[in-house]
Amino acid sequence: NAGVMQNPRHLVRRRGQEARLRCSPMKGHSHVYWYRQLPEEGLKFMVYLQKENIIDESGMPKERFSAEFPKEGPSILRIQQVVRGDSAAYFCASSPPRVNEQFFGPGTRLTVL
Amino acid sequence: AQSVTQPDIHITVSEGASLELRCNYSYGATPYLFWYVQSPGQGLQLLLKYFSGDTLVQGIKGFEAEFKRSQSSFNLRKPSVHWSDAAEYFCAVVPPGSSNTGKLIFGQGTTLQVKP
Repeated sequence: NAGVMQNPRHLVRRRGQEARLRCSPMKGHSHVYWYRQLPEEGLKFMVYLQKENIIDESGMPKERFSAEFPKEGPSILRIQQVVRGDSAAYFCASSPPRVNEQFFGPGTRLTVL
Repeated sequence: AQSVTQPDIHITVSEGASLELRCNYSYGATPYLFWYVQSPGQGLQLLLKYFSGDTLVQGIKGFEAEFKRSQSSFNLRKPSVHWSDAAEYFCAVVPPGSSNTGKLIFGQGTTLQVKP
């Protein structure tokens, strides 16, 4: 059973471009979480999704950020018109239904030039 | 404010010495409690968790943690540290009332350095 997969592992974007981060949860896991880790900080919750539904997006910035978890395929975290402050490590975690244990992917390290 | 606090940003211990990493929380009720470890450039690995029951929890890699309700603490311990334990350690909680979402609130992390 493969772990949580994220790609790309490293992503470089120029200011104003779009960033798309992908997360494939573990097999059998229907819940996906996204967290952001800014330099020298802990992880901050961004969004919690189940298949085709956003359950809790209380940690998402109000503008430029969106997330989806379609019926088929990976979860996508999309950042439009990136700015330097978006440079961070973005981690995805997944869990099975009704289990309070999250399994983390290796992260995508976004650098905005 | 409701939060998770790891008072120590950096800790250095000698290989073979014992280790204790502190974690305190401030919530009205007991949250679900977790310790994660993050090696440089890697994702997070769950070391152990506490939901209820026995207050001394055993985890992987020889770690244990003790829940103390009176002190609102969940400190991580290891009797003898190995050089490979050098990493960043995060305490995290699922706040009371959030178990249906399961979103984790993390402490700031403690960086562990191991001296030979």
